[in-house]
Amino acid sequence: TQLLEQSPQFLSIQEGENLTVYCNSSSVFSSLQWYRQEPGEGPVLLVTVVTGGEVKKLKRLTFQFGDARKDSSLHITAAQPGDTGLYLCAGASTNAGKSTFGDGTTLTVKP
Amino acid sequence: KAGVTQTPRYLIKTRGQQVTLSCSPISGHRSVSWYQQTPGQGLQFLFEYFSETQRNKGNFPGRFSGRQFSNSRSEMNVSTLELGDSALYLCASSWASYGYTFGSGTRLTVV
Repeated sequence: TQLLEQSPQFLSIQEGENLTVYCNSSSVFSSLQWYRQEPGEGPVLLVTVVTGGEVKKLKRLTFQFGDARKDSSLHITAAQPGDTGLYLCAGASTNAGKSTFGDGTTLTVKP
Repeated sequence: KAGVTQTPRYLIKTRGQQVTLSCSPISGHRSVSWYQQTPGQGLQFLFEYFSETQRNKGNFPGRFSGRQFSNSRSEMNVSTLELGDSALYLCASSWASYGYTFGSGTRLTVV
């Protein structure tokens, strides 16, 4: 069974601070996705990383895939209240259509 | 391009009843996956359909079933509802193993 552990589970910070969320597994994934979910809505895909060591930037968000494709991190620079939400990582196996999700990190950014 | 449409958005059912949820994927996406999301268990994979065939199945009892039609629309059915089935049911469509597009979900409450 593939498991993804996210840390921290909860994070409450002030606007303008930086933060990093981690996603770790003992399994190798063919790709890894990060999603953001707001209450009452479905998760929205932020990024997909495929290559070990890959780094992708999306405005103030930086995503990194571990060299061994077992872990990933999400770094947010100068967080804003609009960044508040549940951040989920998901690892996809080579068999498309089945992803394993982490339990999520609930981020609250206070103005 | 229209997103993933799930109906209904909210549903209240009584224990022992059955329920059918519907999902229309993004046009051109042949893979439809279903997830159950609860505060305690996070996102749990139910099943995935591809071209009308169930390709993957999660660890849920046989009360949970699904199907996919030739136009890729999908339905999931839960029979003999239990209180523990109360959850947000999410449908996601994908084109390849590079991430899902989720619907807004169906919030099912069993009383």
